[in-house]
Amino acid sequence: EDQVTQSPEALRLQEGESSSLNCSYTVSGLRGLFWYRQDPGKGPEFLFTLYSAGEEKEKERLKATLTKKESFLHITAPKPEDSATYLCAVQAHTGTASKLTFGTGTRLQVTL
Amino acid sequence: EAGVAQSPRYKIIEKRQSVAFWCNPISGHATLYWYQQILGQGPKLLIQFQNNGVVDDSQLPKDRFSAERLKGVDSTLKIQPAKLEDSAVYLCASSLAGQGTQYFGPGTRLTVL
Repeated sequence: EDQVTQSPEALRLQEGESSSLNCSYTVSGLRGLFWYRQDPGKGPEFLFTLYSAGEEKEKERLKATLTKKESFLHITAPKPEDSATYLCAVQAHTGTASKLTFGTGTRLQVTL
Repeated sequence: EAGVAQSPRYKIIEKRQSVAFWCNPISGHATLYWYQQILGQGPKLLIQFQNNGVVDDSQLPKDRFSAERLKGVDSTLKIQPAKLEDSAVYLCASSLAGQGTQYFGPGTRLTVL
């Protein structure tokens, strides 16, 4: 069974204080690893897809990296508007079925 | 481009009542998903449609949950009868193809009393 574990559960940063969120996974043949951002009362918003170990993607203050066992979401010089829950999910090679298996998320709070 | 639409946004019902949720995916997206997100957890897939056919419903509690996508566009998820443990946010997502990026709607928050 595919599993995703995210750490820490919650993280409080001051504005400008860089940090990383961790996503450890086990999957029977990785098709893709996804990062989403979820604000309170809203649906998950797509950020990145990573497909193979060594791949990196960037968007503004966020950078996602992937190894064979885990992914990191690096946040550089965060701002209060980066406060949200960050969800990691894996998709396995299972024919036409393409469900995402999610972790429980990391709640990030960025203060002034 | 319009995103995934869902209604209602909120619903409160008594246990043993029935409820239905509606989803309209992004135009042109063949694949539609329903996820359940319990407070403090990540979303969990309930059912995946490819056009109007079911691809994966292995985690759908079929004794009380049903879903349909009759014309390959809109979809409805129904719970009958509801239990207390069904209180959650029900998210609809869509993608161009099965392997494509999934885009989520705002969700329907269900409270069962």
